[in-house]
Amino acid sequence: QVQLVESGGGVVQPGKSLRLSCAASGFTFSSYGMQWVRQVPGKGLEWVAFIWNDGSNKYYADSVQGRFTVSRDNSNNSLFLQMNSLRAEDTAVYYCARDLYCNDDGNCFSNGFDLWGQGTLVIVSS
Amino acid sequence: EIVMTQSPATLSVSPGERAALSCRASQDVSGNLAWYQQKPGQAPRLLIYDVSTRATGVPARFSGSGSGTEFTLTISSLQSEDFAVYYCQQYNNWPPWTFGQGTKVDIK
Repeated sequence: QVQLVESGGGVVQPGKSLRLSCAASGFTFSSYGMQWVRQVPGKGLEWVAFIWNDGSNKYYADSVQGRFTVSRDNSNNSLFLQMNSLRAEDTAVYYCARDLYCNDDGNCFSNGFDLWGQGTLVIVSS
Repeated sequence: EIVMTQSPATLSVSPGERAALSCRASQDVSGNLAWYQQKPGQAPRLLIYDVSTRATGVPARFSGSGSGTEFTLTISSLQSEDFAVYYCQQYNNWPPWTFGQGTKVDIK
């Protein structure tokens, strides 16, 4: 079954850290760039971070640059988001999503974020 | 950063009627425009990519159109399951990937 399953959310105090995981199954994980997107309850979608299929490059939203780190383990079909120095404004549901497909020739294509996990809620509060 | 602006914020439509949702980009995004549907308590679901290509399993009543900076998602005959929030997103100029603020389609 093609799916993404996030885990690791919870309640954390401001300034503390949390690590989110996203387990992929049913597709060739190592062929896809992967995204993290977050959503404050009742609000819109905000892109957070991206990692290339081979982990060679990463991009971050300005709001999390220097505090969050995206990584992946292709041997275990897993994506991670290490969140440090958490703030109240980081409170949100965090989704992982599949994006850029890269073929054997090294050409990469995006058809939007075509597969999403169910999300994991992070609450930053004292 | 490309800013995506959706209108209206809320669209009230009767079942069976047609709905047209607008999305404007602050600069040309070529054909790299997607639409997502999100129902309460659920993750977003890709509906349309490359402006007008329906994602796998998406009913034919959903169609996308537009070019450059102006785009439209049309739902030809609203079904009960279509009442949701819809987001547009550009993936032409990144990072960052940017979403519109969403249009809520509710029952009139």
